[in-house]
Amino acid sequence: ETGVTQTPRHLVMGMTNKKSLKCEQHLGHNAMYWYKQSAKKPLELMFVYSLEERVENNSVPSRFSPECPNSSHLFLHLHTLQPEDSALYLCASSQEDRVGYGYTFGSGTRLTVV
Amino acid sequence: GDSVTQMEGPVTLSEEAFLTINCTYTATGYPSLFWYVQYPGEGLQLLLKATKADDKGSNKGFEATYRKETTSFHLEKGSVQVSDSAVYFCALRVLNDYKLSFGAGTTVTVRA
Repeated sequence: ETGVTQTPRHLVMGMTNKKSLKCEQHLGHNAMYWYKQSAKKPLELMFVYSLEERVENNSVPSRFSPECPNSSHLFLHLHTLQPEDSALYLCASSQEDRVGYGYTFGSGTRLTVV
Repeated sequence: GDSVTQMEGPVTLSEEAFLTINCTYTATGYPSLFWYVQYPGEGLQLLLKATKADDKGSNKGFEATYRKETTSFHLEKGSVQVSDSAVYFCALRVLNDYKLSFGAGTTVTVRA
């Protein structure tokens, strides 16, 4: 399998639930990213991991907790979310020293908080 | 800081019409430029790219030329199809920076 794979594709969760989003890349990249895409809003960069270390956290609420156990896997742990957290969550990967290659994105997880 | 400005949508066209989506950028370094496309219910896919001035990126009938003098990277297609209906994002990335800076996206709808 190649590319960036995100699971699940769709998730409905209650505000008191705990769930995790998973992202896996098979491209040998050394950086991974979480983005949030809400309707009528620009893409929001949430977290950046480079060489498995978090290098950026753009003021994301603590109810979102990322984890990068190795260069191929990235998780987003969710707990006590709010309805406004409903969005498409996109994972991406890149090779940090290859500027001309951009990012490769997964298909996203459509999250609905009820 | 680095930023991308692209024309606001939505854009609605008839099949076989000519499409242009304007994109201009501001960058502190020498950027690589990208167009990504997002089809309904999907993630972003790289459509085309250019890494130096005067380069032309092309794919699926779309083209964009890296114009350093006007700091632009406009996307064009000569004859759109219904299947081109999507959201298009312009983006840039500068050397020694992991960050990819996106424009706000332009929604394109093509009617049969």
